[in-house]
Amino acid sequence: ILNVEQSPQSLHVQEGDSTNFTCSFPSSNFYALHWYRWETAKSPEALFVMTLNGDEKKKGRISATLNTKEGYSYLYIKGSQPEDSATYLCASTTDSWGKLQFGAGTQVVVTP
Amino acid sequence: ETGVTQTPRHLVMGMTNKKSLKCEQHLGHNAMYWYKQSAKKPLELMFVYNFKEQTENNSVPSRFSPECPNSSHLFLHLHTLQPEDSALYLCASSQEGSGGAGELFFGEGSRLTVL
Repeated sequence: ILNVEQSPQSLHVQEGDSTNFTCSFPSSNFYALHWYRWETAKSPEALFVMTLNGDEKKKGRISATLNTKEGYSYLYIKGSQPEDSATYLCASTTDSWGKLQFGAGTQVVVTP
Repeated sequence: ETGVTQTPRHLVMGMTNKKSLKCEQHLGHNAMYWYKQSAKKPLELMFVYNFKEQTENNSVPSRFSPECPNSSHLFLHLHTLQPEDSALYLCASSQEGSGGAGELFFGEGSRLTVL
């Protein structure tokens, strides 16, 4: 994999349901994997930064896992709420500076 | 004050105009970045500034000229742009060099339309 790829591009979730989506990234020269949440008309906000294979991070109902050997990360949203509606971006980097390579994002729409 | 502030939020310019985008961070960070998002494309890194020195120019055309007078301010000077340069330009900052994988703090972006 040469680029960061996210799937699906978009998904619709019923309020209360759980969901997950994928980020694939180049596994060679890996340094860190970032997840951001980007709500409409706002700025992207960092959710997680993960560096170690097997890392699992959690913030409230949102969690993420990392597999650096195979080059993928999953983001999970448990019990989705309308306020979870946003585009979720992942990005990988090969060094400690913010030269991130972003995926195109997964747009999540949570309907009541 | 918000962490990273960008002005203007919206800008419309002709191809012969000269304009500038401004970014200011109030977080005490030592690195600042310009990213570009074109329609239906991922965010693309344009420039990186580390302690006011440019450390990355990601093959950006010379009609985009960055300036970083101090570690809190970053400008993007625009001159003779093309319609395909219409995009959302995002500024970000981070604290780097301490061995960590610093998260980026983004501004809300400047929406540029080139006529």
